[in-house]
Amino acid sequence: KQEVTQIPAALSVPEGENLVLNCSFTDSAIYNLQWFRQDPGKGLTSLLLIQSSQREQTSGRLNASLDKSSGRSTLYIAASQPGDSATYLCAIYSGTYKYIFGTGTRLKVLA
Amino acid sequence: NAGVTQTPKFQVLKTGQSMTLQCAQDMNHEYMSWYRQDPGMGLRLIHYSVGAGITDQGEVPNGYNVSRSTTEDFPLRLLSAAPSQTSVYFCASSQDRPSNQPQHFGDGTRLSIL
Repeated sequence: KQEVTQIPAALSVPEGENLVLNCSFTDSAIYNLQWFRQDPGKGLTSLLLIQSSQREQTSGRLNASLDKSSGRSTLYIAASQPGDSATYLCAIYSGTYKYIFGTGTRLKVLA
Repeated sequence: NAGVTQTPKFQVLKTGQSMTLQCAQDMNHEYMSWYRQDPGMGLRLIHYSVGAGITDQGEVPNGYNVSRSTTEDFPLRLLSAAPSQTSVYFCASSQDRPSNQPQHFGDGTRLSIL
């Protein structure tokens, strides 16, 4: 059974710092991995989608990597800003029309 | 762009009442799904649909019904509300099966069962 873990559960960093969020999963047989952002009281916004055949995806200051053999993905945020404060979720798609979500990392960027 | 629209945003029910959570998308997406989000447990799939007239159960379907009469709408029905169904409910859609396309989420319905 696929399990997705995100550590740490919460993180506070000063503005301008580069940071890495971690996502680990137990079964390497995946189709894709997706990183989401969730603001308080809001839904999820898709940030990056990495297919199983890809190693990384980039969008602006965000870079997500995928290493299936080790069961890990990282989301790198460059030059963090207070507006980046949110909860970041990773989700694994292993088939059967179902994503398995991690419980998220709550990020606070201090001005 | 409306995207995925969920109504209502907030609802309080008494145990045993029934209600329908509405979800509509204007992107002509075939795949739609319902999740519930509970503290410390992540999002869990309740039901999903791969097109009009086709629905199937997810991870936690008990106590919920769905139907998909049109491509645009995917309502979630609580048959007899229980306190354990207090949660935040999210509807999501994607153009194709989730293996190929990112999912788009609504802003959620916050439901409390007393």
